[in-house]
Formats: sequence, C-alpha cells, structure tokens
Amino acid sequence: QVQLVQSGAEVKKPGSSVKVSCKASAGTFGSYALTWVRQAPGQGLEWVGGVIPMFGSSNYAQKFQGRVTITADDSSTTAYMELNNLRSEDTAMYYCARGSDLEGLDPWGQGTLVTVSS
Amino acid sequence: QSALTQPASVSGSLGQSITISCTGTSSDVGDYNYVSWYQQHPGKAPKLMIYDVRYRPSGVSDRFSGSKSGNTASLTISGLQAEDEADYYCSSYSSVTTRVFGGGTKLTVL
Repeated sequence: QVQLVQSGAEVKKPGSSVKVSCKASAGTFGSYALTWVRQAPGQGLEWVGGVIPMFGSSNYAQKFQGRVTITADDSSTTAYMELNNLRSEDTAMYYCARGSDLEGLDPWGQGTLVTVSS
Repeated sequence: QSALTQPASVSGSLGQSITISCTGTSSDVGDYNYVSWYQQHPGKAPKLMIYDVRYRPSGVSDRFSGSKSGNTASLTISGLQAEDEADYYCSSYSSVTTRVFGGGTKLTVL
C-alpha cells in the first residue's frame, strides 16, 4: 500500500509563495493521479487541483487559476503544489491524495499546515 | 457556500443506524456515479470510506454503505460505534467545477 509523506509546516508572509511536496513510498507513480485538497481552520474540504505524472498534465480549481502550479517528478516519486501571492485566507492544511478527478481519494498524506501571517 | 449540501450534524445512539445525505445537482451527483465519502477524525487526514457511490475500499467495515437517488447521495452507518464519531464529507465529480465537496457533517454518537 503506497504511503504519501508531505513536507513540514510553513509560515509565510502575505504576497510570498509556498511550495509543498508530497512523496510517494512506491518506486513510481505508475498511471495514477495525485490531487491536492485544502482545509482552512475549522472549515470543510476544498479541491485545489491535480496532476497526472505519467502525462505531466495538471488541472486546477478556477478559484486558484493563475496562482497555483501542481507538478510531479516521477524519478523521485514526488509531487509539488506551489501557491503564489499568498494571502491570509490561504492559511490552511494542505493535503495530497492519490486519485484523479473521478476517483475516490486514497490514501492521503498527513497534511502540511501553511500559515500566512505578517 | 459548498457545492454539495450536507446536514451540519447528525446523531445516533450506540448500535443504531444513521444516514447522512449529500445533495447536488444534475451537473454532479445526479449525472455521475463518482460520489465518494470521507471520514475525518479531529487532527487527522480524511479517510476514504465509499467510492463510486457504493463501493467500499478494502479494510472499511461493511457497516458503512452508500447509495444514490437522483441528485442526492447517502451514507448509511449501521451498528453505530463510538469510533464512528467524526466528520464526514461527500465529494463528487462535477462537469462544471471538476471536483466538489460537501460542507461536512459532524456525527455524534450518543
């Protein structure tokens, strides 16, 4: 069973960028996709976007278009989510999970807390 | 405002059954069988409980079941146990927004 391990917590200033990583324990991503979901404190889940490493293709929620970039490096089985021009409303736990737009997401990474504060 | 509508809270006694609804539209739940359900305990990552409306991943108890009628999907938990107390989220593929989540339902086991 593949496991997803994410990078550690980040504290960022408004206007800056953050790049969160998600490493799969398996030797390769294979044909599966990875999805990023965020959860603001005390709030529900929100889809950010996803990537299919085999094809190098990504898609994003309209809300984040132009501010987010999701990539994957099959050689290191690591996916990345970079969010630019951070604002306080971006303070949230960011999760990666295996699965495409159509699939159930399983498993999930442990989450990375991103705090945006001046 | 979430794209899928769930009740904010439900409760049930030990051993009883409860059902959590998830109402969408013909652009998501109504037109696609790509509904999934997640369980989240405080401070933990979500866990997949149901996918494709009604299928359980390996290792998930058969006390959890899913169904769909029209634009509404449902998660039923039978034989409630204390460890079922958690937040539950539904999710669906959407032809408009790709993937949408419900606002979440807090389950309290009495």
